[in-house]
Amino acid sequence: NAGVTQTPKFQVLKTGQSMTLQCAQDMNHEYMSWYRQDPGMGLRLIHYSVGAGITDQGEVPNGYNVSRSTTEDFPLRLLSAAPSQTSVYFCASSYSGTVYDEQYFGPGTRLTVT
Amino acid sequence: AQKVTQAQTEISVVEKEDVTLDCVYETRDTTYYLFWYKQPPSGELVFLIRRNSFDEQNEISGRYSWNFQKSTSSFNFTITASQVVDSAVYFCALSVTEFGATDKLIFGTGTRLQVFP
Repeated sequence: NAGVTQTPKFQVLKTGQSMTLQCAQDMNHEYMSWYRQDPGMGLRLIHYSVGAGITDQGEVPNGYNVSRSTTEDFPLRLLSAAPSQTSVYFCASSYSGTVYDEQYFGPGTRLTVT
Repeated sequence: AQKVTQAQTEISVVEKEDVTLDCVYETRDTTYYLFWYKQPPSGELVFLIRRNSFDEQNEISGRYSWNFQKSTSSFNFTITASQVVDSAVYFCALSVTEFGATDKLIFGTGTRLQVFP
């Protein structure tokens, strides 16, 4: 099993550009989520999904869109990048449709918006 | 409010010292889970432990131990005889429920532990 994979590892965007951060897992996990990690802020939840076709907002959803058309994939879209979105983004998954299980994290995507 | 506080931003110790990382939480839920994750310099997040609110037994795993006290809303993590490989950022996390929404996981701001040889 590859676990949770994220692409790209690094990305530099100009303000106003859009892009999609990819996240995939091959563990047949129902629960997937996106976090951003900023210095001194810990990890903050952006969006999450408890199964294919179901998504919901976390703490900091503004400026981001998600969809979950398959169990395996949970892409995060930045519609119009802003410098405030410079961060490290982590995708995570867990077996059940809840947060009560161990979360498996991807390696992260480091995004810089200039 | 539901939140996790890790008041220690950074801790430095010398190898073989014992070190305790503090985690204090606030929740209105009667059922909840607490977690610890480790983020080594390579950047990935690694699960260490999960504890539910009904299980206040302390847990020991090798050099790691956890002390869960509901009376003080704390879930502290102790590393005994620390090693350089323990150098990492450690995050405490809490599951939260919200009326009309799916349960979420919230993280503390992390404690950076540096272990010097």
